[in-house]
Amino acid sequence: DTAVSQTPKYLVTQMGNDKSIKCEQNLGHDTMYWYKQDSKKFLKIMFSYNNKELIINETVPNRFSPKSPDKAHLNLHINSLELGDSAVYFCASSQGLNYGYTFGSGTRLTVV
Amino acid sequence: GQQVMQIPQYQHVQEGEDFTTYCNSSTTLSNIQWYKQRPGGHPVFLIQLVKSGEVKKQKRLTFQFGEAKKNSSLHITATQTTDVGTYFCHFGNEKLTFGTGTRLTIIP
Repeated sequence: DTAVSQTPKYLVTQMGNDKSIKCEQNLGHDTMYWYKQDSKKFLKIMFSYNNKELIINETVPNRFSPKSPDKAHLNLHINSLELGDSAVYFCASSQGLNYGYTFGSGTRLTVV
Repeated sequence: GQQVMQIPQYQHVQEGEDFTTYCNSSTTLSNIQWYKQRPGGHPVFLIQLVKSGEVKKQKRLTFQFGEAKKNSSLHITATQTTDVGTYFCHFGNEKLTFGTGTRLTIIP
């Protein structure tokens, strides 16, 4: 069983479209995250949820909206996609903010 | 979020040579974590250091946390081709900051 699973693995879409990425963890962790990894491999925190509550919301355009229906799921919806949104998006989970993360395998988003 | 510099940014070593990456913070950290990301893969948690001056080992990997809890290093002894990847430090502060990473390539 995959501990943190993201879908889809690849996403190619046109500018202006709206898309969603789903994430589920079966580890019983309380905290989930979305990170963006750009072409230079920098990992930037976007959002963090603890037990369905948003606890970290970094400087991210409001075109990005996370949703956590329960503590095992954290989805990411992106409106009006732009070329600069092309990146790999990683979902992760942990027992809490000061514990190691388990990452999903990533979603490679390409906006054309 | 804030980016934390790791040095070096890239390291090419001959197989069998040692490798070290360093991570520095301007503030005292509650803890530091290290991750490895293979090419095309996702970051994988390696270890967490919490105590001042802590040293932990995993086979050929040695992790250190500075006495002032502001810096950390990861040292690999006698690198192997399986060590290829990018190594990230991660600060356990409220900003959840990852280091910029050190990309290790091995010349067989």
